[in-house]
Amino acid sequence: AQSVTQPDARVTVSEGASLQLRCKYSYSGTPYLFWYVQYQRQGLQLLLKYYSGDPVVQGVNGFEAEFSKSDSSFHLRKASVHWSDSAVYFCAASTGNVGDNSKLIWGLGTSLVVNP
Amino acid sequence: EAAVTQSPRNKVTVTGGNVTLSCRQTNSHNYMYWYRQDTGHGLRLIHYSYGAGNLQIGDVPDGYKATRTTQEDFFLLLELASPSQTSLYFCASSGTGDSDYTFGSGTRLLVI
Repeated sequence: AQSVTQPDARVTVSEGASLQLRCKYSYSGTPYLFWYVQYQRQGLQLLLKYYSGDPVVQGVNGFEAEFSKSDSSFHLRKASVHWSDSAVYFCAASTGNVGDNSKLIWGLGTSLVVNP
Repeated sequence: EAAVTQSPRNKVTVTGGNVTLSCRQTNSHNYMYWYRQDTGHGLRLIHYSYGAGNLQIGDVPDGYKATRTTQEDFFLLLELASPSQTSLYFCASSGTGDSDYTFGSGTRLLVI
């Protein structure tokens, strides 16, 4: 069955440090892949998405992610984090079902804490 | 601006009570979803719909009904609320089932 795994429930980094949040998917083909961010007490917002082509995709606020078919991964990166990046980050993947049964499946999220 | 609007923002009800959560989207999207978010469980899909009058069962449908009255409006009904349904509920919309989603701000429900 398709699944999305975010192995780190919580990541703590210092402001200005680089960041990688991990996402692994289980899927027989190439899914559509997404990263969303949830700030405190708010809904989820799209950071970036991958459909096909260049495996490195750029998102908002300096985030990028790299798709790897060989590793079944879609890790999120940022070169230098800011305290305002503290939030919960969700990875999601399409199920691959066609037509009306298609939908996204979600990882459990990674809580990012950026220390000033 | 295209958006997903949920109401109420917060709701408190008693066990056995009736609750309706509302969601309206102005994105002209076909798909709408209801999720609940609980610590340790991430987002869990309750019901979804791909058009007015359509309803699809999600992964955790027990105790919930939903109705899609128009393309814009999707309602979640708890007819006999239980404390286990205390949660943060999100509505979302998307153009297709596997395209990016737009989320509402959430409804925090407390069942006492």
